[in-house]
Amino acid sequence: QKEVEQNSGPLSVPEGAIASLNCTYSDRVSQSFFWYRQYSGKSPELIMSIYSNGDKEDGRFTAQLNKASQYVSLLIRDSQPSDSATYLCAETPFFGNEKLTFGTGTRLTIIP
Amino acid sequence: GAVVSQHPSWVICKSGTSVKIECRSLDFQATTMFWYRQFPKQSLMLMATSNEGSKATYEQGVEKDKFLINHASLTLSTLTVTSAHPEDSSFYICSAREEGLAGELFFGEGSRLTVL
Repeated sequence: QKEVEQNSGPLSVPEGAIASLNCTYSDRVSQSFFWYRQYSGKSPELIMSIYSNGDKEDGRFTAQLNKASQYVSLLIRDSQPSDSATYLCAETPFFGNEKLTFGTGTRLTIIP
Repeated sequence: GAVVSQHPSWVICKSGTSVKIECRSLDFQATTMFWYRQFPKQSLMLMATSNEGSKATYEQGVEKDKFLINHASLTLSTLTVTSAHPEDSSFYICSAREEGLAGELFFGEGSRLTVL
């Protein structure tokens, strides 16, 4: 059974610092990886997708993927209080409409 | 990103009644949509995969006769919670993937169901 594991937190980071969120996955055929942000009482919002080994940057967000280690991470630079949310890691084998497997999420709190 | 709209955003109903939730892809066609349920402080739980023009695929433990899914067009899927009970109270979220985009899944706003 495929698994995606995240530290549930809570993870507390001072405002302006770098927040580092980690995720490991068990299925070696996984090809596509995603980070979603979910505010309390709201639905998930896609932040980043990454498919190749290495880093992918988008504004203050950087996703890192290491398929050999089956590890994907999300870095948030210059953390803001508005970044406080639960961050969900997800993966899927790249076979069209395969369902996503989600981790349980990491709750991040940015301390002003 | 693609826009997925869900309606209603919240609903309160009496025990024993049925509730229908709609999920629409507004600016793209989706042959597949996914229905999730989320209880407070818990992660997303996939309930079923909705396939346009065919029967939905339900996850283990999800009663297909209780949670009726219809995907009649490429832009609309509906979830009907039949004979709702208080334990069905939850946050129901649909999602869809735009054709050609490598796996990116976009979520609707969610529907909060409270069964009295």
